[in-house]
Amino acid sequence: SQQGEEDPQALSIQEGENATMNCSYKTSINNLQWYRQNSGRGLVHLILIRSNEREKHSGRLRVTLDTSKKSSSLLITASRAADTASYFCATSDTGRRALTFGSGTRLQVQP
Amino acid sequence: GAVVSQHPSRVICKSGTSVKIECRSLDFQATTMFWYRQFPKKSLMLMATSNEGSKATYEQGVEKDKFLINHASLTLSTLTVTSAHPEDSSFYICSARDRDGSYNSPLHFGNGTRLTVT
Repeated sequence: SQQGEEDPQALSIQEGENATMNCSYKTSINNLQWYRQNSGRGLVHLILIRSNEREKHSGRLRVTLDTSKKSSSLLITASRAADTASYFCATSDTGRRALTFGSGTRLQVQP
Repeated sequence: GAVVSQHPSRVICKSGTSVKIECRSLDFQATTMFWYRQFPKKSLMLMATSNEGSKATYEQGVEKDKFLINHASLTLSTLTVTSAHPEDSSFYICSARDRDGSYNSPLHFGNGTRLTVT
């Protein structure tokens, strides 16, 4: 079964705008990760936030984690057309090595 | 960075035939690899966990006799779709974590295999 739900399912913005994607999950986690997938390709790891962290930055990416609400958000600032892709959150559950993926957000950045 | 090579990237086969997909970790060793399946515009569903030198662990609802997994070395896992049917058509993606990686390390993904069964 799916661990997480993401919203929005699809997001279309203009270049230069910020994009925010949200993810909710159901179980206790070791960490939460965000991945990017270009159409028809594999996934690329973007950022990992541990369960004891609340916020993390990497370049134009900002991730927050609220374990009390079992939710996370990914913010992409100053978006570019090349950011067009699907973005997935994934959780690492306690005692389980595999990742469980959310439903994903399809981001379209218009040039 | 860690690279996972998945082959073939695309395959078309006839119903009833078998297809083998290879997943290799090129610059690291992986005692565990994961096989996912993805339907169009959908999320990734974990099919099975491939363990080097032992039997794979399958998720509930995944037929182990249909999806044969072999993890013969620390750098290679294979998924064989046996007696393929059109409903097996999908995007299959493998992933691996460095054997020295903890739970707090990312997975490295292959580029996926698009399987079409006619």
